[in-house]
Amino acid sequence: NAGVTQTPKFQVLKTGQSMTLQCAQDMNHEYMSWYRQDPGMGLRLIHYSVGAGITDQGEVPNGYNVSRSTTEDFPLRLLSAAPSQTSVYFCASSYLSGAGNEQFFGPGTRLTVL
Amino acid sequence: DAKTTQPTSMDCAEGRAANLPCNHSTISGNEYVYWYRQIHSQGPQYIIHGLKNNETNEMASLIITEDRKSSTLILPHATLRDTAVYYCIAQGAQKLVFGQGTRLTINP
Repeated sequence: NAGVTQTPKFQVLKTGQSMTLQCAQDMNHEYMSWYRQDPGMGLRLIHYSVGAGITDQGEVPNGYNVSRSTTEDFPLRLLSAAPSQTSVYFCASSYLSGAGNEQFFGPGTRLTVL
Repeated sequence: DAKTTQPTSMDCAEGRAANLPCNHSTISGNEYVYWYRQIHSQGPQYIIHGLKNNETNEMASLIITEDRKSSTLILPHATLRDTAVYYCIAQGAQKLVFGQGTRLTINP
């Protein structure tokens, strides 16, 4: 298993540009999510999905769109990049159950917006 | 989701047990206690979780008080590679809410 993969590892954008951060998992997990982590801070939830075709907003959703057309993929789209979106972005996935679940995190995408 | 309180930083000598406390006095009955760690700038790594009983796995032990208002993560024989930020999270759903965590430094 590759686990959770994210591409690209690094990205530099200019203000106003758009881009898509890719996230894929090969563990057949129902739940997937996106977090951002600013320097010296904890992770904050952007969007999440409990299955294909179902997405919902997290704590800081503004400026980001997501879709979940397959179980494996959960791309994050920046519509019009702003310097405030300079951050490290982590994708995570897990099974859905009532017993408490381990979440698996990807290695992150380091985004700089100039 | 219950709020958690952790010390900002801790030090531990290599080879000794590292005991990381967490207070979650507002935890509700269906909320689990999770521990994750983040080494340098990598993605967070799951360590352990529990509901009421103490738990142990190959990485650590989790001791939860009987009233569930606090817990302690124990790394039995800390190594330099255990230097990381450790996050204690108390909640029932998948939507993990990360606080500031405890920066644990293992000293040679």
